[in-house]
Amino acid sequence: NAGVTQTPKFRVLKTGQSMTLLCAQDMNHEYMYWYRQDPGMGLRLIHYSVGEGTTAKGEVPDGYNVSRLKKQNFLLGLESAAPSQTSVYFCASRELIVDTQYFGPGTRLTVL
Amino acid sequence: SQQGEEDPQALSIQEGENATMNCSYKTSINNLQWYRQNSGRGLVHLILIRSNEREKHSGRLRVTLDTSKKSSSLLITASRAADTASYFCATAPGGSQGNLIFGKGTKLSVKP
Repeated sequence: NAGVTQTPKFRVLKTGQSMTLLCAQDMNHEYMYWYRQDPGMGLRLIHYSVGEGTTAKGEVPDGYNVSRLKKQNFLLGLESAAPSQTSVYFCASRELIVDTQYFGPGTRLTVL
Repeated sequence: SQQGEEDPQALSIQEGENATMNCSYKTSINNLQWYRQNSGRGLVHLILIRSNEREKHSGRLRVTLDTSKKSSSLLITASRAADTASYFCATAPGGSQGNLIFGKGTKLSVKP
């Protein structure tokens, strides 16, 4: 099992550009999450999904969109990147009845 | 939003010593979890303690939970250089669908 994988690992964008981050999990987990981590901070929840075809807003959803068309994939989109979105993005997943989350390795995004 | 707060922010000890990290939170919870993050990597789940539990052990880890004081502690016994990492507590508030709220973490450095 690969667990949770994230693509790409690094990306540099210019202000106003768009991009999509891909998260994939092979554990058949129902729940998936997108977090951002800024220096010296814990993780903050951007969006999450409780199953295929569903999404919901987390603590810091502005400037991001998500889609969960397939159970194993959770996409995070930035339509018009801003320097404030420079961060490390983590995806996580978990089973329906178990609260433990499994994390991907992260995507380091820099917006110039 | 409610957030766990770890104390201390940074801790430096010698190999073989014990390391204790504390976490305080604000509202009632279903469970509290501890995660470890090695530099530049994703988070790894260490241990989960439910609100009706007071103490839990896993190998060299011991976690306590005091719901009356809304606090938890993580003890790592006989620390090793490989324990060097950041440690985060995460709380699952009641009714949150298992969404976690992370603290800012304790950065532990274990010197050989």
